[in-house]
Amino acid sequence: DGGITQSPKYLFRKEGQNVTLSCEQNLNHDAMYWYRQDPGQGLRLIYYSQIVNDFQKGDIAEGYSVSREKKESFPLTVTSAQKNPTAFYLCASSRYYPLARPTDTQYFGPGTRLTVL
Amino acid sequence: GENVEQHPSTLSVQEGDSAVIKCTYSDSASNYFPWYKQELGKRPQLIIDIRSNVGEKKDQRIAVTLNKTAKHFSLHITETQPEDSAVYFCAASIRDTGTASKLTFGTGTRLQVTL
Repeated sequence: DGGITQSPKYLFRKEGQNVTLSCEQNLNHDAMYWYRQDPGQGLRLIYYSQIVNDFQKGDIAEGYSVSREKKESFPLTVTSAQKNPTAFYLCASSRYYPLARPTDTQYFGPGTRLTVL
Repeated sequence: GENVEQHPSTLSVQEGDSAVIKCTYSDSASNYFPWYKQELGKRPQLIIDIRSNVGEKKDQRIAVTLNKTAKHFSLHITETQPEDSAVYFCAASIRDTGTASKLTFGTGTRLQVTL
């Protein structure tokens, strides 16, 4: 999991601003994921992408957007439409083989802690 | 969608004792169940996982059991050590060909191992 990096480590946002969180991996993984973690709660899936130029909404996609232009990169934008964005954001990646049961292990990045001022 | 419940939310054990964390899931089609350990401020790290065609899996002091009929699975840590102190998350997913693994997580168990 050392092959997944997230930046910045800490991010502060003012009301009404869009901010973009970076996620990069050099594990040659096809699938990438974004999760949100709130205190006392588990991880909730925001968006995921199985291959380049394709992504799907997770359970809490409202107020977020993503892109997947490169295999290595899966940035997450937290828009002003997300009313309660203060949270710990985790990016993950895994292998993905469309025609076989692959290894499902998701490896996580170190996370970005977003705070709304 | 899938719903995963995890108990207890906090667990305190003495060093050397065993710890057991239990999870239940709602979707009988779920077939992959990983456990993650997260230390304060760090990323979750996979410690063990089990697939639905297996009832039990062991890795040194850690074991996981799965009861498909009852739709629950458990993490067992034996001979606990202070470094086992962390938050543990269970998760479940329906893993099949053609789809990436979408994990649904439990709410976590904070394990404290006391001397």
